[in-house]
Amino acid sequence: AAGVIQSPRHLIKEKRETATLKCYPIPRHDTVYWYQQGPGQDPQFLISFYEKMQSDKGSIPDRFSAQQFSDYHSELNMSSLELGDSALYFCASSLGLGLVYNEQFFGPGTRLTVL
Amino acid sequence: KQEVTQIPAALSVPEGENLVLNCSFTDSAIYNLQWFRQDPGKGLTSLLLIQSSQREQTSGRLNASLDKSSGRSTLYIAASQPGDSATYLCAVRRVSGGSNYKLTFGKGTLLTVNP
Repeated sequence: AAGVIQSPRHLIKEKRETATLKCYPIPRHDTVYWYQQGPGQDPQFLISFYEKMQSDKGSIPDRFSAQQFSDYHSELNMSSLELGDSALYFCASSLGLGLVYNEQFFGPGTRLTVL
Repeated sequence: KQEVTQIPAALSVPEGENLVLNCSFTDSAIYNLQWFRQDPGKGLTSLLLIQSSQREQTSGRLNASLDKSSGRSTLYIAASQPGDSATYLCAVRRVSGGSNYKLTFGKGTLLTVNP
């Protein structure tokens, strides 16, 4: 079965550079979520989109922005990178934001290292 | 603010033993609860989802229970195998006013099953 695809899988950037992470949800899934997992930490919610509109916002820095496109894929744009942004970034997708059985399926993550 | 706690933080058992992982949450107004498995540096694999109206879910050797009123969930693993070694995370989706569909994670239990 098709899963959530994230690219790139690994990314190395210098401080103050920008990075773009991409997420391709499971086919027919219309909701995308972004989470950040720092070393030894639990995943923290950043932002989510439903039908191309932002549906919820968590602890996402102002330096980060995201959007969902017409084909439901999503991109997380990160600017002025800081050392503390080094983390594993997960994308998850689900079908129907308000459905009772709303299971989130996670991608393999993008490991971002800021030097 | 929803807080999720997992006990124990680490658990080491001999192969073949049955074990229970615990998860507690402070706000009982949840929509559902998911249990995940995470291998080191890898993505999150969804194991079980329990809706707030359910009391348990089973998948193979895994059984998850939910007591929403007391804010507790358990993950029971029968006949543990070395391949079960991983970090197990529970996450809750809270019900609140407006759109709030994010998952709030616990810090996980690191399980080691010794051959």
